[in-house]
Amino acid sequence: EDQVTQSPEALRLQEGESSSLNCSYTVSGLRGLFWYRQDPGKGPEFLFTLYSAGEEKEKERLKATLTKKESFLHITAPKPEDSATYLCAVQALNRGSNYKLTFGKGTLLTVNP
Amino acid sequence: NAGVTQTPKFRVLKTGQSMTLLCAQDMNHEYMYWYRQDPGMGLRLIHYSVGEGTTAKGEVPDGYNVSRLKKQNFLLGLESAAPSQTSVYFCASSYRGARSTEAFFGQGTRLTVV
Repeated sequence: EDQVTQSPEALRLQEGESSSLNCSYTVSGLRGLFWYRQDPGKGPEFLFTLYSAGEEKEKERLKATLTKKESFLHITAPKPEDSATYLCAVQALNRGSNYKLTFGKGTLLTVNP
Repeated sequence: NAGVTQTPKFRVLKTGQSMTLLCAQDMNHEYMYWYRQDPGMGLRLIHYSVGEGTTAKGEVPDGYNVSRLKKQNFLLGLESAAPSQTSVYFCASSYRGARSTEAFFGQGTRLTVV
């Protein structure tokens, strides 16, 4: 069974204080790993897709990396507007379920000014 | 583009009542999904569809039914609502590609069953 574990559950940072969020996963074969951002009362918003170990993607202050067992979302010099819940999800290579996403429970990030 | 639109946005039901949640997407996506999101549980897949006229069970399908009569619409039905179905429901869609493709989510429907 595919599993995704995110840590920490909550993270509080000061503006400008860089940090990383972790996503550990167990999947029979990885088709893709996704990062989403979710604001209160809104649906998840897509950030990145990573396909293979060693791959990295960047967008503004965010950088996602991938190894064979985990992914990190690095946040450099965060701003209060980066406050949100960050979700990690995996899609498996299983022929019968390779279009389904398995989500972690998310990391609630709060950036104080 | 509107993307993925869910109606209604909020609803309060009494135990035993029925309702249908509507999801519409204008991106011509083949795949559509219904998730529920509960505190401490994350997003869990209820049902999904890989194309018009086809549906399948996800992780937590009991108490729900779905239909996809048109490619752009995916309906989620609750025949007899229970308090355990109080949740936020999200519809999502994605296109079928050679590589893994991201899902686009609607804004959610907050359902309370009393």
